[in-house]
Amino acid sequence: AQSVSQHNHHVILSEAASLELGCNYSYGGTVNLFWYVQYPGQHLQLLLKYFSGDPLVKGIKGFEAEFIKSKFSFNLRKPSVQWSDTAEYFCAVSPDNNNDMRFGAGTRLTVKP
Amino acid sequence: DGGITQSPKYLFRKEGQNVTLSCEQNLNHDAMYWYRQDPGQGLRLIYYSQIVNDFQKGDIAEGYSVSREKKESFPLTVTSAQKNPTAFYLCASSIVGAGANVLTFGAGSRLTVL
Repeated sequence: AQSVSQHNHHVILSEAASLELGCNYSYGGTVNLFWYVQYPGQHLQLLLKYFSGDPLVKGIKGFEAEFIKSKFSFNLRKPSVQWSDTAEYFCAVSPDNNNDMRFGAGTRLTVKP
Repeated sequence: DGGITQSPKYLFRKEGQNVTLSCEQNLNHDAMYWYRQDPGQGLRLIYYSQIVNDFQKGDIAEGYSVSREKKESFPLTVTSAQKNPTAFYLCASSIVGAGANVLTFGAGSRLTVL
């Protein structure tokens, strides 16, 4: 089965700083890639997804991610974070031919006002 | 409103007891999932099901059991064989199909073993 690694456990930034969260996966075939976000006290929700086509995908709230197939990576970026981005972020991967969805350990982002 | 309902929200159990967590969805999704969320470990897949009467083990299925008798229901039983059951449990569902499996999550159930 596939596996997912998120390199940063806790990231602390000041408002307006740029963000990049790392995500690498291991799987030999075609994959679908996701970033989910869990704001304090809320359900997990989808931030963005990649299925095919343009490897640079844009999501909600100004987030984007780039799929680099040669590096098995799907890093999440945002040029300027806001205090309201404080949350936990999870990268997830599933093979293209089934629904087996695996998540990384998550990265907690704290944005200082 | 369409969504996923998990119950109970909080559950306390004595060691040696089995407990069943409920998950119901009215989204007409074919696939359903159970994850366990622990601090620092993210979401770990327990079981998932892509169709009624069929399910597959995830990474940490030992000590858990599931059934999928109805499309809208996917209950999880935490058995006494699960060595460390205290955790937050999340149920999710999705459409089945290539590129279609965006998960919708429930609010979760927090199980504490006393």
